[in-house]
Amino acid sequence: DVKVTQSSRYLVKRTGEKVFLECVQDMDHENMFWYRQDPGLGLRLIYFSYDVKMKEKGDIPEGYSVSREKKERFSLILESASTNQTSMYLCASSLGTGGQYFGPGTRLTVT
Amino acid sequence: GENVEQHPSTLSVQEGDSAVIKCTYSDSASNYFPWYKQELGKRPQLIIDIRSNVGEKKDQRIAVTLNKTAKHFSLHITETQPEDSAVYFCAASNAQAGTALIFGKGTTLSVSS
Repeated sequence: DVKVTQSSRYLVKRTGEKVFLECVQDMDHENMFWYRQDPGLGLRLIYFSYDVKMKEKGDIPEGYSVSREKKERFSLILESASTNQTSMYLCASSLGTGGQYFGPGTRLTVT
Repeated sequence: GENVEQHPSTLSVQEGDSAVIKCTYSDSASNYFPWYKQELGKRPQLIIDIRSNVGEKKDQRIAVTLNKTAKHFSLHITETQPEDSAVYFCAASNAQAGTALIFGKGTTLSVSS
């Protein structure tokens, strides 16, 4: 089974803090993704990566950056957290043109 | 870029009835259409997918149909059961181009017994 893990299930941070969310997959998938999920808005793509050190902006990249130094790890960085970044963050990975497998999610609260 | 519209946003059915969720997409180059089910408090799980060279695909009680001309695809669940209650998301992508999935906003399905 594909296993996608995320560093934290729940996280509380203060406005202005730098926040790191980490995602690790163990199936040698080349593609990795970060989404945020908000009620009524579905899953919105923040960034994705199709190879080590490669990244592509999604629909809502503002206020976020990413890092992929190793194939199995994809990090999402909030440079200066704001209250409107309070959300559920979901990481996913996929192999080639196949379906995506999601991690359990990190519920981030910014106060 | 791609835009995916999903309807309805909520759907309530009686156990044993059928449920149909419909999605439309805007990019004619899209060729991969998966459906995900997300139970309360859990991660989205892929339940079925279809590629543009196929018009219909079935897996037990679920089926997906694709109309490339009209640019819409649908999820059909027959003989619904309470455990089918969840949020369902459709998505689309141009898989060959390596683009990411674009998701619809989701449909909350409630199956009452």
